[in-house]
Amino acid sequence: DVVMTQSPLSLPVTLGQPASISCRSSQSLVYSDGDIYLNWFHQRPGQSPRRLIYKVSNRDSGVPDRFSGSGSGTDFTLKISRVEAEDVGVYYCMQGTHWPFTFGPGTKVDIK
Amino acid sequence: QVQLVESGGGLVKPGGSLRLSCTASGFTFSDYYMSWIRQAPGKGLESLSYISGRSTDTNYADSVKGRFTISRDNAKNSLYLQMNSLRAEDTAVYYCSRGPRRLDYWGQGTLITVSS
Repeated sequence: DVVMTQSPLSLPVTLGQPASISCRSSQSLVYSDGDIYLNWFHQRPGQSPRRLIYKVSNRDSGVPDRFSGSGSGTDFTLKISRVEAEDVGVYYCMQGTHWPFTFGPGTKVDIK
Repeated sequence: QVQLVESGGGLVKPGGSLRLSCTASGFTFSDYYMSWIRQAPGKGLESLSYISGRSTDTNYADSVKGRFTISRDNAKNSLYLQMNSLRAEDTAVYYCSRGPRRLDYWGQGTLITVSS
């Protein structure tokens, strides 16, 4: 199985400051169609995950533009340009290229 | 708008069976692959299975292969997960989601507790 690792696992942030989460895969995530199926999700306590970013860098409808995704091959990054209170929770990266599709362990973001 | 609503969760004894359902609305259900994903208490996310729109393509994680069966009824806009030979480690919130790899919409989840 493809192993997804994330760092840091815990990220205390200051409101209004930037934040960055790294995600690495144990194999290349380039699919046979040439796309890279790397998604980012946000999960608040007691809620279902919500997809923020798909195929590395495409923001979902309704996701604030302070969120951005980047990366290639096996290294990916989620950035929040200015953290807001509603951004707390756990962020997961997930690869949808190799079955079984696998998630990272999650990065818990909270406010300092 | 797209809605996914899971049901069928509950407490079951080890070795028992349970059938989960996921009712979809707000999109043409038969056009989409669907998936089941679970999250053990306080843990991360695990993709379990997916099924194509016409049920011709299915896949399972090794952890549930041979014990769980995914199916769907497009006439009822419903996705199912038949779970047999349940183990304590199957205790989790089970989510249905649209697509095997897009996972753009999720249900609210249903809790399965496997305990004697």
